[in-house]
Amino acid sequence: QVQLQESDPGLVQPSETLSLTCSVSGDSVSSGSYYWSWIRQPPGRGLEWIGYTSHTGGIDYNPSLKSRVSMSVDTSKNQLSLRLSSVTAADTGVYYCARRSGRVYYWFDPWGQGTQVTVSS
Amino acid sequence: DIQMTQSPSSLSASVGDRVTITCRASQSIGSYLNWYRQKPGKAPNLLIYAASSLQSGVPSRFSGSGSETDFTLTISSLQPEDFATYYCQQSYSTPLTFGGGTKVEIK
Repeated sequence: QVQLQESDPGLVQPSETLSLTCSVSGDSVSSGSYYWSWIRQPPGRGLEWIGYTSHTGGIDYNPSLKSRVSMSVDTSKNQLSLRLSSVTAADTGVYYCARRSGRVYYWFDPWGQGTQVTVSS
Repeated sequence: DIQMTQSPSSLSASVGDRVTITCRASQSIGSYLNWYRQKPGKAPNLLIYAASSLQSGVPSRFSGSGSETDFTLTISSLQPEDFATYYCQQSYSTPLTFGGGTKVEIK
């Protein structure tokens, strides 16, 4: 059974860089043609796709965040990481990692439990 | 970007009711449509992929239909664990986008 677990960043100061990791168990981040994704949810609101990346270097970011976001996969640790620079209060929310599954049609499954990110001084 | 519009944004129903949620895409997306259920304080959980395929382990009371721009999620007999928020998501093109959600509440 594949499980994903996000790190806990604690409080992040405005204008600083948010760094998150997602540890994967039950599967290898370098297996198959999977892409590994980040998705966030502001308080009381809907879901926003941040982007995804693969161990082969394939990558795609949401244009709304592209100038501030960076993702990577660490095959030695079986982890994925997210960096979001110049954060503001608008970046507050729950951040999820998820595996993009499927071959022709794609979906997100499974998801991590999520980690709360609060941007505040 | 492809905009996904769900309706209603919320509804009240009773255990055993048949519930239908709709999702409309701003352009044709074929069958590149997924449905998720999100219980309070939890991560979303995949219910339906490719518009009508039931994810393994998901109860058969859930079904999906539609194509191109109009899609439907149906719960044939609402159970207590189904009081949650439901999201559609298009995987036709990036940026991948989600609907605004439909909250199913207890009547």
